[in-house]
Amino acid sequence: GENVEQHPSTLSVQEGDSAVIKCTYSDSASNYFPWYKQELGKGPQLIIDIRSNVGEKKDQRIAVTLNKTAKHFSLHITETQPEDSAVYFCAASYHDYKLSFGAGTTVTVRA
Amino acid sequence: KAGVTQTPRYLIKTRGQQVTLSCSPISGHRSVSWYQQTPGQGLQFLFEYFSETQRNKGNFPGRFSGRQFSNSRSEMNVSTLELGDSALYLCASSAKLANRYEQYFGPGTRLTVT
Repeated sequence: GENVEQHPSTLSVQEGDSAVIKCTYSDSASNYFPWYKQELGKGPQLIIDIRSNVGEKKDQRIAVTLNKTAKHFSLHITETQPEDSAVYFCAASYHDYKLSFGAGTTVTVRA
Repeated sequence: KAGVTQTPRYLIKTRGQQVTLSCSPISGHRSVSWYQQTPGQGLQFLFEYFSETQRNKGNFPGRFSGRQFSNSRSEMNVSTLELGDSALYLCASSAKLANRYEQYFGPGTRLTVT
């Protein structure tokens, strides 16, 4: 099955700086790569996703890049704000309804 | 539009008992997936239902089962509960429209087995 590795496990950044989270996947057939943000006591919230026919996607301060050859994808958050503090999960999927998740990255934005 | 709702939000059960969790998807969504989230194993896929049919199942024992009703609402059942079943159980719904397969999660049901 698909195996997704996510790094780093924790990330502390100064407010206004950028944060980068990296994931690798094992199944070359995977073609859908969403990112989720989970705040304490809540379910994961979809923040951005990318499909294998696209190399980069941006939504305001959030961007995701995908390198299919190397089988890795990354989340970039620019101009971080305190409300960006949360746990972030990457995921990969071939059958879109079966997501394989990374272990998560706890992001702390220091004011 | 209302999001995914899950009931109950919290549940405490004793080893050996069974439990049923409920999920109501976003209106118009026909696919419901279930995931288990634990600190040790992270988020793991349990199963997915579409139009009342289970289409895929993760690597969980047969004690974990589910079903989906004609209105797309779904339930999952865990029988003969073990301490290791303590987890946050998340349900996600998807519209399954042409080329749009985003999954939206509910707040989860926190199950504690004592």
